[in-house]
Amino acid sequence: AQSVTQPDIHITVSEGASLELRCNYSYGATPYLFWYVQSPGQGLQLLLKYFSGDTLVQGIKGFEAEFKRSQSSFNLRKPSVHWSDAAEYFCAVGAGGSQGNLIFGKGTKLSVKP
Amino acid sequence: GAVVSQHPSRVICKSGTSVKIECRSLDFQATTMFWYRQFPKQSLMLMATSNEGSKATYEQGVEKDKFLINHASLTLSTLTVTSAHPEDSSFYICSARLMGFGGYTFGSGTRLTVV
Repeated sequence: AQSVTQPDIHITVSEGASLELRCNYSYGATPYLFWYVQSPGQGLQLLLKYFSGDTLVQGIKGFEAEFKRSQSSFNLRKPSVHWSDAAEYFCAVGAGGSQGNLIFGKGTKLSVKP
Repeated sequence: GAVVSQHPSRVICKSGTSVKIECRSLDFQATTMFWYRQFPKQSLMLMATSNEGSKATYEQGVEKDKFLINHASLTLSTLTVTSAHPEDSSFYICSARLMGFGGYTFGSGTRLTVV
C-alpha cells in the first residue's frame, strides 16, 4: 500500500539558515509527489509537485525538492529560511497515480528562531 | 486560477444538529472532489471521494449516513454532518483534482466544534 513518512515531527531553524524536510514514500509505480504548506487554521497551499522529468523541482517561495527514486525520497529544501516560513509542511503521494486522492504524511512543524 | 471556496470557515453547533459545509470551484469544473478530516496536530485523512452526478465513495470506517456528501454539479460539493456529536469536532477540508497534471487544489477548511 502507498504510504508517506515524514520522520521529523518538529524542526526549529534560525532565520536565514538552510532547511531540509525529509519525506520518504512507498509506492509501486512512478509516484506523483507533492509538498504542501499549512498555516494554523488554514487550508493547504501547494509548494511544488513532481510528476516526471527533471528530478529537481522548483516551487514557490524559494522552495525546491529533489526526487530520488533509489532512496524513495522527496526532500524539501530552502537555502535561507524566513520567519514567515513557520508552518506545518505535508508531503503527499497521489494514490493511483494522477487519478486518485492524496495520501499525506503526518507533517513536519517548522519553527523559525529570530 | 483553480480556486476552491469553502464555507463556513468556522461553525459551532449543538449536539444532535446537522451542519452543512460547502465547497465551490470558482473558475473550473470539479469532476472529482475529495473530503478530508484533520484532527489537531495530525495529518489529513481521506473521508470520501465524490464524483459529480454519482454517489460518493467512502473510506473504511466512515459512516456514510452520518457524513452525507452531495456533488450535484460540477462546481459544488457539500458535506453534511448529521446528528453531530462532540467527537465529530474536527477540521474538514475539501480538495478538487485538477485536469491533466495540474494536481490538486484545496479549500481553506472548516473548523467544526460540536458542543
